[in-house]
Amino acid sequence: AQSVTQPDIHITVSEGASLELRCNYSYGATPYLFWYVQSPGQGLQLLLKYFSGDTLVQGIKGFEAEFKRSQSSFNLRKPSVHWSDAAEYFCAVGPPSHYKYIFGTGTRLKVLA
Amino acid sequence: GAVVSQHPSRVICKSGTSVKIECRSLDFQATTMFWYRQFPKQSLMLMATSNEGSKATYEQGVEKDKFLINHASLTLSTLTVTSAHPEDSSFYICSARDRLGSNQPQHFGDGTRLSIL
Repeated sequence: AQSVTQPDIHITVSEGASLELRCNYSYGATPYLFWYVQSPGQGLQLLLKYFSGDTLVQGIKGFEAEFKRSQSSFNLRKPSVHWSDAAEYFCAVGPPSHYKYIFGTGTRLKVLA
Repeated sequence: GAVVSQHPSRVICKSGTSVKIECRSLDFQATTMFWYRQFPKQSLMLMATSNEGSKATYEQGVEKDKFLINHASLTLSTLTVTSAHPEDSSFYICSARDRLGSNQPQHFGDGTRLSIL
């Protein structure tokens, strides 16, 4: 069955610390992979996406993610977190047609001053 | 970048009222739009896929007579919650994908908070 797992429901980091949010997926073929961020009461903003090629992808706001086929993972990283990064982060997978994304349950990031 | 506008952002109304939510792609054309529902502190649940010029495709368990979807143009899809009741209160989010070009991701609106009294 197709699924996306974000093992960490909540993560708290201090401002300036590094961050890694985990995402594992189960999919029949190599899917397209995405990370979205959602601020409270807002929609989703695309941080980055992976379709093919270089497995390390750069996104907006200083985020990057690495696709590891052998581990079925697509973890999101940021070297130095800012207070404004506090939000909910969703990993998603989908077919090349971009039809029916499957979303993870989300990771809520709290940033301590 | 691609912008999706969703309106209204918040609706509070009485039980039994029908509520229409609009989703517009502002700078691109979308043959396909998606409607999601999000419960508090949960992930997004796909409700239906809106197809321009044809009937929407509903996910299992979603009542099509309850959640009417119309995709009348390449830039507009509407979701109407008919005879809304308190259990319909939720956060509804739409997304759209640019019909031109390959590898176009879904772009999301800012959501509509629906509260039924």
